[in-house]
Order: sequence, then structure tokens, then C-alpha cells
Amino acid sequence: AQTVTQSQPEMSVQEAETVTLSCTYDTSENNYYLFWYKQPPSRQMILVIRQEAYKQQNATENRFSVNFQKAAKSFSLKISDSQLGDTAMYFCAFMSFGNEKLTFGTGTRLTIIP
Amino acid sequence: DTGVSQNPRHKITKRGQNVTFRCDPISEHNRLYWYRQTLGQGPEFLTYFQNEAQLEKSRLLSDRFSAERPKGSFSTLEIQRTEQGDSAMYLCASSFNRDTEAFFGQGTRLTVV
Repeated sequence: AQTVTQSQPEMSVQEAETVTLSCTYDTSENNYYLFWYKQPPSRQMILVIRQEAYKQQNATENRFSVNFQKAAKSFSLKISDSQLGDTAMYFCAFMSFGNEKLTFGTGTRLTIIP
Repeated sequence: DTGVSQNPRHKITKRGQNVTFRCDPISEHNRLYWYRQTLGQGPEFLTYFQNEAQLEKSRLLSDRFSAERPKGSFSTLEIQRTEQGDSAMYLCASSFNRDTEAFFGQGTRLTVV
């Protein structure tokens, strides 16, 4: 069974600064997807960024980028030029190619301080 | 289309009662997923449908839980004889296929008293 670990329950950073959220996972599979989801206080989960394990290049979406280290089973999220709207719970998630369920970590509560 | 819609948003019920939640996915999405999220935890997979077929169920889905997706459109999740441990946020998501983004609804918060 796959597991996803987020070791930072809470983080805070000043507006405009850069912050990195950590995620590690455990799997014996070679082909899978990794995701970062954002859950603002309104509770609707939103996909931030996605990485296919077979791609060596790290995914980037505007101010959001990942550092994917497959051998270390690490998948961190970097948020640059943080904005007040980035305040939310952030969940790291895993999905193997073989099935369609997402396995989530316990989340990191990120607060952007004005 | 305004995204995945879940109703009701909140439900308070007495222990032992039955409850039913509804999820309306994005119209062209043939995949529909149910997750449960308890306080301080990430969502946990419950079940998913491809069109009207229920293809996988988690061990979390005890005999008191049943989900349906008639005609491959909306889905319902029913919990019979609710217990306090069922108190959680129930999230629904849909996607066009397994390789595309899953869109989540705002969830139904269940409180069993």
C-alpha cells in the first residue's frame, strides 16, 4: 500500500516570500502520478500541480513548482512570491497508474502573513 | 456548468438515522469519486464509478454505506444506521478520464449527534 507523509502540519511566511512544503511517499511501483492540492477555507479542493513519475523534468505552474526526487521518493512544492490567497491547506497526493484512487497526506496548513 | 455540486452542504443527524448525500458531477465527466475527510486528516478514498459501474470500493466502506450512480449521471451516497464515527466531510470529485484533472465539490459535512 502507498503512503504519503507531510511532516509540516503548519507553516507561515510573509507575503511575497518563497515557501517550500515537503512531501515524501512510499511505493514499490515505478509508474505513478504525484499531485499537490490546495484546500482554501471554503473547503473546495483545487489541483495546484501534477507530476508524472516518468518525467524527469520538474513540473511548473506559474508561481508553483515542484522538486521531484524519484529515488528519494520526495516531492516538495515551492511557492514563489507568495500571496494572501495562497493561505490554505495543502495536500500532497499519490496515484498509481494501476488504479484511480488518490492517496493523500495529512496536509500542511499554510498561512501567508500580510 | 458550475463544477461539481454536492447537496446538502451540511447535515446533522441523530445516531441510528439514515442519511443520503447527492453529487452532481461536471456533465461530460464519466468518472466520479467519493472521499471522506475527517478533521485534521487528508481525504480518504471510498469508492469510484466509471459511468454507472462501481469499479472499486475501499475497505472503509462498510456494509452500512452504499453508493449508486444511476445512468452514469449524478451519484448518491447513503449511510444507514449512522454512528458518531461517521461524522466527517464527504467529498465528491469527477474527471473526464483517469489522466485528466479531478475536480472536487465543496463537500457535505455530516455531524452525527
